[in-house]
Amino acid sequence: GQQVMQIPQYQHVQEGEDFTTYCNSSTTLSNIQWYKQRPGGHPVFLIQLVKSGEVKKQKRLTFQFGEAKKNSSLHITATQTTDVGTYFCAGGGGATNKLIFGTGTLLAVQP
Amino acid sequence: DAGITQSPRHKVTETGTPVTLRCHQTENHRYMYWYRQDPGHGLRLIHYSYGVKDTDKGEVSDGYSVSRSKTEDFLLTLESATSSQTSVYFCAISESGGTYNEQFFGPGTRLTVL
Repeated sequence: GQQVMQIPQYQHVQEGEDFTTYCNSSTTLSNIQWYKQRPGGHPVFLIQLVKSGEVKKQKRLTFQFGEAKKNSSLHITATQTTDVGTYFCAGGGGATNKLIFGTGTLLAVQP
Repeated sequence: DAGITQSPRHKVTETGTPVTLRCHQTENHRYMYWYRQDPGHGLRLIHYSYGVKDTDKGEVSDGYSVSRSKTEDFLLTLESATSSQTSVYFCAISESGGTYNEQFFGPGTRLTVL
């Protein structure tokens, strides 16, 4: 079945450094969503990408959907301690017509 | 935050006992989901509901059953809990199905099966 993998599983950065997490699907996706989960919290929707090659920005966060719609990335410029948490991608388009969540990337930011 | 509550928030139980987790929403959303979250696996869909009395299986449904008798409530039951079901369980809702709709998550229930 459809699988969505994320790398890295964990990344530790110094405050001010950049961070990128990558999401890769075994099949072509119809759309991709990104969620953020603060430590001890619940996932919260950040954004959705639908078009091939689409790029969206939210302040210091840049989201990209690959040309083949099989991968996506989230880049954070100049991380802050408030960016700490686990970032999940979730892909659509499989046979089940349900979102398949990636394995997540845990970001730790040292002040 | 969307009006979603989960109860209990924490539970410790023993192997072989039945357990029911409750999800309650005040948003009148049609779709409700149960996920489990485990390290290295992300969020995996257990069951979902697309209306009162309408439910279907997700990718990890073995050992779980669900019921939805009212729009606002979605129950997840572990008929005979096992240690492999120790996890954090999240309920989520969305206005409609498919993959283009944002999902809103509840606060989660941490279940430990000894």
